Amino acid sequence: SQQGEEDPQALSIQEGENATMNCSYKTSINNLQWYRQNSGRGLVHLILIRSNEREKHSGRLRVTLDTSKKSSSLLITASRAADTASYFCATLSGGGADGLTFGKGTHLIIQP
Amino acid sequence: DAGVTQSPTHLIKTRGQQVTLRCSPKSGHDTVSWYQQALGQGPQFIFQYYEEEERQRGNFPDRFSGHQFPNYSSELNVNALLLGDSALYLCASSLVQGSSPLHFGNGTRLTVT
Repeated sequence: SQQGEEDPQALSIQEGENATMNCSYKTSINNLQWYRQNSGRGLVHLILIRSNEREKHSGRLRVTLDTSKKSSSLLITASRAADTASYFCATLSGGGADGLTFGKGTHLIIQP
Repeated sequence: DAGVTQSPTHLIKTRGQQVTLRCSPKSGHDTVSWYQQALGQGPQFIFQYYEEEERQRGNFPDRFSGHQFPNYSSELNVNALLLGDSALYLCASSLVQGSSPLHFGNGTRLTVT
């Protein structure tokens, strides 16, 4: 079953604009991670935020986490054509042996 | 430094057959996880292997089994294939520590006809 639900399902913006994707989840978590996937290939880890953190930055990426609302957002600033991909949030609820629970993803298209 | 490698890249099987998929983890990683990704969906956790033992399993039937070898590489076996098993099968490696991010291979695209 899928825990995370990304919103929107698809997003199309102009190059240079900012892109914001949201993720909601259902149960308490250990951490939340964001991954990118290009055209059905493998996923690439972008950023991890722990349950006791509220905001994290990595380059053009900014992630926020609100555990009271069980939600997270991923902001990509100054988007580029190469950012076109599907973005997934994934939650880790238990210990290291538990698998990540992924949402259905947001498909982001950057128009040149 | 080689990342996660999976073989084969594509596979076509007939319903009822058996299939074996292979994965070599990123150098230095000791834990391998397998995920199934249906078209248009997010990956779903199948199971995780560490020290040649299955540590945790997702909601998948016993037709799905695996193995980890002393060199940390892993196999995923699926018996009695169903049409619904058609998907992208992703292998991910990590360190056993709980918050270690996953490094994914490019997957094996399995089509069951």
